[in-house]
Amino acid sequence: AQSVTQLGSHVSVSEGALVLLRCNYSSSVPPYLFWYVQYPNQGLQLLLKYTSAATLVKGINGFEAEFKKSETSFHLTKPSAHMSDAAEYFCAVSRWANQGGKLIFGQGTELSVKP
Amino acid sequence: EAGVAQSPRYKIIEKRQSVAFWCNPISGHATLYWYQQILGQGPKLLIQFQNNGVVDDSQLPKDRFSAERLKGVDSTLKIQPAKLEDSAVYLCASSGGGQGSGYTFGSGTRLTVV
Repeated sequence: AQSVTQLGSHVSVSEGALVLLRCNYSSSVPPYLFWYVQYPNQGLQLLLKYTSAATLVKGINGFEAEFKKSETSFHLTKPSAHMSDAAEYFCAVSRWANQGGKLIFGQGTELSVKP
Repeated sequence: EAGVAQSPRYKIIEKRQSVAFWCNPISGHATLYWYQQILGQGPKLLIQFQNNGVVDDSQLPKDRFSAERLKGVDSTLKIQPAKLEDSAVYLCASSGGGQGSGYTFGSGTRLTVV
């Protein structure tokens, strides 16, 4: 079975500070990993995805994530937070070949950005 | 390309009433998903269609929830009768296939059961 754990349901940073959102996964086979962002009253928008190519994945809006197999982690980072980054962030795992590609989501981390 | 369309955006009903949600995926996407997102939680898969066939409905409460995708294009999710705990955002997503291809989500329908 696959699962995702996001450490910290709420993270608060100052504008211009480093953003670090933590995600650990469990999977018996090589996983596909995703980060999504959700703004209030909106659907989920894909930030980036890991599909077994480069372990450092760059996404939209200056975000990136690094796949570390030894740590079973896929943490999301951004060097400098903007006010517009305030949103809910979800890490998700998929095992395409065997489960038809369904996404299994973590509980989410709400990011607040202080001026 | 047009995104995943969902309607209505918001719905308020009384418990024991019925409700239906509609989703039109991205043109050509064979796989369609319905997710339930309860406040403060990550989305949970309810049902997955491949064309007009069900691939996974293991998490669908079949005593009250039903879904169909008759022509392999748009889809309807129904709840009958609704319970208070069904209050959530119902997200539809579609995928064009291919390993790790990702998904496109609609804006969701926010259901409040009172």
